[in-house]
Amino acid sequence: NAGVTQTPKFQVLKTGQSMTLQCAQDMNHEYMSWYRQDPGMGLRLIHYSVGAGITDQGEVPNGYNVSRSTTEDFPLRLLSAAPSQTSVYFCASRGWTGATNEKLFFGSGTQLSVL
Amino acid sequence: AQKITQTQPGMFVQEKEAVTLDCTYDTSDPSYGLFWYKQPSSGEMIFLIYQGSYDQQNATEGRYSLNFQKARKSANLVISASQLGDSAMYFCAIWGAGSYQLTFGKGTKLSVIP
Repeated sequence: NAGVTQTPKFQVLKTGQSMTLQCAQDMNHEYMSWYRQDPGMGLRLIHYSVGAGITDQGEVPNGYNVSRSTTEDFPLRLLSAAPSQTSVYFCASRGWTGATNEKLFFGSGTQLSVL
Repeated sequence: AQKITQTQPGMFVQEKEAVTLDCTYDTSDPSYGLFWYKQPSSGEMIFLIYQGSYDQQNATEGRYSLNFQKARKSANLVISASQLGDSAMYFCAIWGAGSYQLTFGKGTKLSVIP
């Protein structure tokens, strides 16, 4: 059981380049999300989805794009990378039963540097 | 809106001693869940313990326990008999019943001294 799989683990971009961070889960979770982690800031939500075809913005959505065409996949797109997007990115998923005790399962993270 | 405050950026504890990591929260939801995650230097996020707002007893998971004081809006993590492998960042987080996200605090870096 793979859980939440993120690729790549590391990426270096030049300012203005675009890229897609991939995220897949095999737990049939309806809820998927992307967080970024910056030193001293904790984890902040970028975008989330509660099912295929449904996405919404989180706390820090600017500069990022998402789509959800299948239950399993939730890619995060950087359309024109900026140095401010240098961060560690986590994909996470959970069941969507309405209960508060559903824990978030995290991927292993992607360390992104934008030069 | 929901918010988590962790006031201890860093903590030191002697091996085999107990340590308490502080967490206070704010939410307008009457029903909510509180979570603690551990992030070792390798970077992965590891779920430790959960406390529901209507749970009558404090949650425990092995050496981890949660000191839940609802009136004070606090959910402190207690680690008993600290081990060197407990050295990590610890994040407190909240999920309100009406929310679409798990909101994290800024974390506490715990260092266990031999």
